[in-house]
Amino acid sequence: DAGITQSPRHKVTETGTPVTLRCHQTENHRYMYWYRQDPGHGLRLIHYSYGVKDTDKGEVSDGYSVSRSKTEDFLLTLESATSSQTSVYFCAIRGPSGSGRNEQFFGPGTRLTVL
Amino acid sequence: QKEVEQDPGPLSVPEGAIVSLNCTYSNSAFQYFMWYRQYSRKGPELLMYTYSSGNKEDGRFTAQVDKSSKYISLFIRDSQPSDSATYLCAMSRPQGGSEKLVFGKGTKLTVNP
Repeated sequence: DAGITQSPRHKVTETGTPVTLRCHQTENHRYMYWYRQDPGHGLRLIHYSYGVKDTDKGEVSDGYSVSRSKTEDFLLTLESATSSQTSVYFCAIRGPSGSGRNEQFFGPGTRLTVL
Repeated sequence: QKEVEQDPGPLSVPEGAIVSLNCTYSNSAFQYFMWYRQYSRKGPELLMYTYSSGNKEDGRFTAQVDKSSKYISLFIRDSQPSDSATYLCAMSRPQGGSEKLVFGKGTKLTVNP
């Protein structure tokens, strides 16, 4: 494993409630990413971070916000969950800065169900 | 046209077969190419990483890149039941001051004992 943990691993919630997913890395890497994975759509980037307090949107960012107050933690928040946000969420980190490599390493995922 | 196309399968082969998985892409800006393996209910796991045309071998796995044809392949020799998984191709290109990683939708492989 690439030293990435995600919590919770499973969550069931109701429409309209706020939800926060946490990604924690022990690798001290600069870049962190949040993806969602859905049948027929594959992996889609939600938001990413390129440093503490530095974040940017991905292709499916509507309805999601992120925060990164420490290098090791990247939080994904659904302000008001909807059924369309039922998905499996993966956090990823990019290879070491300055290595010349840019592959990403993934966490184990969080399975979120919004009823 | 999608940037990256991958046949979703499913693909079912007998144990010991040679497996060929493929992706095509449309954007010549892609520079780095990866293959990930994803077991059911697990996160994607990096299998192969290449950045030039040609072949790269790692055990039973060979990654092939043909930039002129915009085509990448992953070959699995002597396939095993433990290779049963979904295989995702991925490729990266510059975007702004960073790199964008684009994934194929994955090919589900089953290797039957």
